[in-house]
Amino acid sequence: DAKTTQPNSMESNEEEPVHLPCNHSTISGTDYIHWYRQLPSQGPEYVIHGLTSNVNNRMASLAIAEDRKSSTLILHRATLRDAAVYYCILRYPNDMRFGAGTRLTVKP
Amino acid sequence: GAVVSQHPSWVICKSGTSVKIECRSLDFQATTMFWYRQFPKQSLMLMATSNEGSKATYEQGVEKDKFLINHASLTLSTLTVTSAHPEDSSFYICSAKRTGRGFFGPGTRLTVL
Repeated sequence: DAKTTQPNSMESNEEEPVHLPCNHSTISGTDYIHWYRQLPSQGPEYVIHGLTSNVNNRMASLAIAEDRKSSTLILHRATLRDAAVYYCILRYPNDMRFGAGTRLTVKP
Repeated sequence: GAVVSQHPSWVICKSGTSVKIECRSLDFQATTMFWYRQFPKQSLMLMATSNEGSKATYEQGVEKDKFLINHASLTLSTLTVTSAHPEDSSFYICSAKRTGRGFFGPGTRLTVL
């Protein structure tokens, strides 16, 4: 199974951009890259997903490397409500396994 | 957007009793649902994949006789923790698959005394 590697934790200041990296060197050509986030005591929440091209939505942007072995979730202006654990997942929802994720702390 | 609900949101039970947790897709039909368990400060651990009208597929190390899963309709899957013990205390989360995305329930916190 394709695995992902993310930093355990990151910090950001409020209203500054945040770049959350994810490495997935064993990704296959048909694997989609999905990002979810989980706020304390809640179920995960969909953020964004993509295959090859960069993607934007109202929550975030997803930048995918040309070789697709890494990707970056970009929060353009972090708010206190963005403090959560962010998970990068491949082949979701066919491969439903979560890695450890990155715990994002946002400082006021 | 698609909504997945869980009931109850929290439950406290005595050791040795059974607890049923419901997962419903409120505005779409889900042929496949997933059940997870999450311990404090840890990631979600996939327990089983629930397919409507067929037997669930359990992950390695998950006791199928202890964690009974029933997916009797396209909008409802249930997880029953049988003969619960304190070590089963955890946060249980379900997810329903739709159009290439997963939609998660809010979770059920189980405390076994």
